[in-house]
Amino acid sequence: EVQLVQSGAEVRKPGESLKISCEASGYSFTSYWIGWVRQVPGKGLEWMGFIYPGDSDTRYSPSFQGQVTISADKSATTAYLQWTSLKASDTAIYYCARLPPAGDHLDSWGQGTLVTVSS
Amino acid sequence: QSALTQPASVSGSPGQSITISCTATSSDVGGYVSWYQQHPGKAPKLMIYEFTSRPSGVSDRFSGSKSGNTASLTISGLQAEDEGDYFCSSYTNSNFRFGGGTKLTVL
Repeated sequence: EVQLVQSGAEVRKPGESLKISCEASGYSFTSYWIGWVRQVPGKGLEWMGFIYPGDSDTRYSPSFQGQVTISADKSATTAYLQWTSLKASDTAIYYCARLPPAGDHLDSWGQGTLVTVSS
Repeated sequence: QSALTQPASVSGSPGQSITISCTATSSDVGGYVSWYQQHPGKAPKLMIYEFTSRPSGVSDRFSGSKSGNTASLTISGLQAEDEGDYFCSSYTNSNFRFGGGTKLTVL
């Protein structure tokens, strides 16, 4: 069974750094792209970018380029999303999701990680 | 890239059928469209991909179609458990676009 298990909720102050994780199991981690999606509570979904753990090829949505860093650790079968300087506007739920080889939809999702940025 | 427009809300009674549209503001919806269901406090779930394909485990009451610049999701035989938010998405050039979402209410 494919599973994506994300790290728990986080509370940070503006300007602080953060790295959240998405641990994959039940499939070949290095053969599927993993992406990240942002959802402000009560709002829609926003595509952030994705990574191919096999060779670390990473692509970002223009809206998030330079704002976050996506990475992956093959040995830990885990993908990461990190910020160096959080803003209050980063407050949202962040989902990781897997793309199948065809790469045009998101077939499995993590449970989401709520990030709250408040002074 | 054009935006994907969905109705803010739709409703139907148990047993009825409803259709949710996803319209591109430019000439074509562009790329394959997928549909996701989201219940409150839960992660989205893939319901339809590549306009018409249904993942294993998804009820055959869910179907997808495309006509011109509009993709559609139809749910037949509405059930209470279908209530929730539905998002369409289009994938082109390593980028997903999402519609604004449609809240389905089962009366």
